[in-house]
Amino acid sequence: GQQLNQSPQSMFIQEGEDVSMNCTSSSIFNTWLWYKQDPGEGPVLLIALYKAGELTSNGRLTAQFGITRKDSFLNISASIPSDVGIYFCAGQPQGGSEKLVFGKGTKLTVNP
Amino acid sequence: GAVVSQHPSWVICKSGTSVKIECRSLDFQATTMFWYRQFPKQSLMLMATSNEGSKATYEQGVEKDKFLINHASLTLSTLTVTSAHPEDSSFYICSANAYSARSYEQYFGPGTRLTVT
Repeated sequence: GQQLNQSPQSMFIQEGEDVSMNCTSSSIFNTWLWYKQDPGEGPVLLIALYKAGELTSNGRLTAQFGITRKDSFLNISASIPSDVGIYFCAGQPQGGSEKLVFGKGTKLTVNP
Repeated sequence: GAVVSQHPSWVICKSGTSVKIECRSLDFQATTMFWYRQFPKQSLMLMATSNEGSKATYEQGVEKDKFLINHASLTLSTLTVTSAHPEDSSFYICSANAYSARSYEQYFGPGTRLTVT
């Protein structure tokens, strides 16, 4: 089946640093979404991308839909302690299905 | 963003009993909802797609007779874990697609922690 390769698996950074994570796939996706999940909670949608090349920001978060439609990245600028959590990428593959394919997540730890 | 709620947020039940989990879209109508299961430190595993007014579509390996899904209205889907066993203990999360002019986005509920003793 389709898979998303998300990296890095985990990150340990200092408060104030910038963070970058990405997802790649061998197949084309129509939509890319980025979620953040806190322990014991459901994922919260951060950014949705619909078009190849699209660059979208949400506060300190910026995400881009790759030109090839096979990848996406998420950047977090000037990290703060509340950025701690697990970030998941998800994509809607071609074919009309509304199901999402998820990456395995990037666990972010921010040291104050 | 759109809001999805789940009830209960946690439940403990005895082995052999059935448990029902509700998923509601609070400020939008959802013709399609999804049920996921998540094990500790892992990603979300899609169990089934819940379609309003029709039968759910289950992913390979998911027992449809054990995980009963009902999507009777545009704002409510339920997952019933029948004859629960300890191995069914997990974090269950639902989601729903909210449609916009551009496309649709999938919003998640807060999850339900099921513990079977």
